[in-house]
Amino acid sequence: AQSVAQPEDQVNVAEGNPLTVKCTYSVSGNPYLFWYVQYPNRGLQFLLKYITGDNLVKGSYGFEAEFNKSQTSFHLKKPSALVSDSALYFCAVRPPYGNNRLAFGKGNQVVVIP
Amino acid sequence: DSGVTQTPKHLITATGQRVTLRCSPRSGDLSVYWYQQSLDQGLQFLIQYYNGEERAKGNILERFSAQQFPDLHSELNLSSLELGDSALYFCASSPGMDRITTTDTQYFGPGTRLTVL
Repeated sequence: AQSVAQPEDQVNVAEGNPLTVKCTYSVSGNPYLFWYVQYPNRGLQFLLKYITGDNLVKGSYGFEAEFNKSQTSFHLKKPSALVSDSALYFCAVRPPYGNNRLAFGKGNQVVVIP
Repeated sequence: DSGVTQTPKHLITATGQRVTLRCSPRSGDLSVYWYQQSLDQGLQFLIQYYNGEERAKGNILERFSAQQFPDLHSELNLSSLELGDSALYFCASSPGMDRITTTDTQYFGPGTRLTVL
């Protein structure tokens, strides 16, 4: 069964500094990987996904993520964090076969300090 | 706005009761997914429908059931409610294809917050 680990509960970063949210995964076969963001009292918003190809994936709002197969990681990054990036970030994975259910990590709270 | 709508936004009910959550997918999407988000279990996949047919089942309790109608909207029915069923219930949709797996992105609705007292 597929699973995701997001090791940190909360990530604190100063506004303007680089932001990294870590994700490692476990899945049989080549993974399909996703990042979503959840603002308070809102649904999950899709940020980006990795299916195949270039290991560096660019997404919405200046976010990008790097797929590393040897380390089974898919860390989310943003070069310069904004206060408005403060939210809950979820990494998700599913295998390239079988059904389309997503397995989510527990989420990381990101706090950007002005 | 993802284009996925869910009603109601909030639902407060008592133990033992039955409720129905409704989801309308994005225009043109054939697949609907239901997820439950709770503090102790996190985000858990419940069930998927594709074009009216059940396609996958996750950690869905026998007290819970779902269906997808010909107009593609979906309903999640929760019965004999318990305190532990209090959670945020999300619906997601994707275009879907007439094969088991795709590279689709799932787009999520705003959720229904269920409180069982």
